[in-house]
Amino acid sequence: AQRVTQPEKLLSVFKGAPVELKCNYSYSGSPELFWYVQYSRQRLQLLLRHISRESIKGFTADLNKGETSFHLKKPFAQEEDSAMYYCALKTAAGNKLTFGGGTRVLVKP
Amino acid sequence: KAGVTQTPRYLIKTRGQQVTLSCSPISGHRSVSWYQQTPGQGLQFLFEYFSETQRNKGNFPGRFSGRQFSNSRSEMNVSTLELGDSALYLCASSSLGELNTDTQYFGPGTRLTVL
Repeated sequence: AQRVTQPEKLLSVFKGAPVELKCNYSYSGSPELFWYVQYSRQRLQLLLRHISRESIKGFTADLNKGETSFHLKKPFAQEEDSAMYYCALKTAAGNKLTFGGGTRVLVKP
Repeated sequence: KAGVTQTPRYLIKTRGQQVTLSCSPISGHRSVSWYQQTPGQGLQFLFEYFSETQRNKGNFPGRFSGRQFSNSRSEMNVSTLELGDSALYLCASSSLGELNTDTQYFGPGTRLTVL
């Protein structure tokens, strides 16, 4: 069965510092990986997905199949980046997502 | 386009009762998925419906069921409620996007409390 692990429950950084959220997955096939974000009092929304290889709000993530990781990075954190971040894995046809436990990011001024 | 809407937003029930939650997807979206979010278990997939057929199912007991109507609106039902069913239930809709991958758009959720 597939599994997604986000080892950090809380990440606290200062504004302007780099931030990296770790995500590891276990799946023997070819997965699709996503990062979702939930800002305070807002609904869960897609931040980025590996297949599009784009940068959103300065965040990037690279799929490393050898290390089965999909870490999320941003070189200079902003206060508005404070939110809950979820890594998710899609393995089958359809839309079944397996989520990690989430990482809360707090960017201090 | 209007986003995914879920009704009701809050619900309080007692053990043994049953409950029905509703989800209206974004116009034109034919896939609706349901997730349960709890502090202990996080976000867990319940099931997905596509064109009125269940396409995927998670590891939940048979007390959890769902359906989808011809207009893509979906309902999920939980029978014989247990205290552990207290959770935020999220609905997400999607359509095929670029590169044939589906971006899921989430609703605000229905907060169910079982007393």
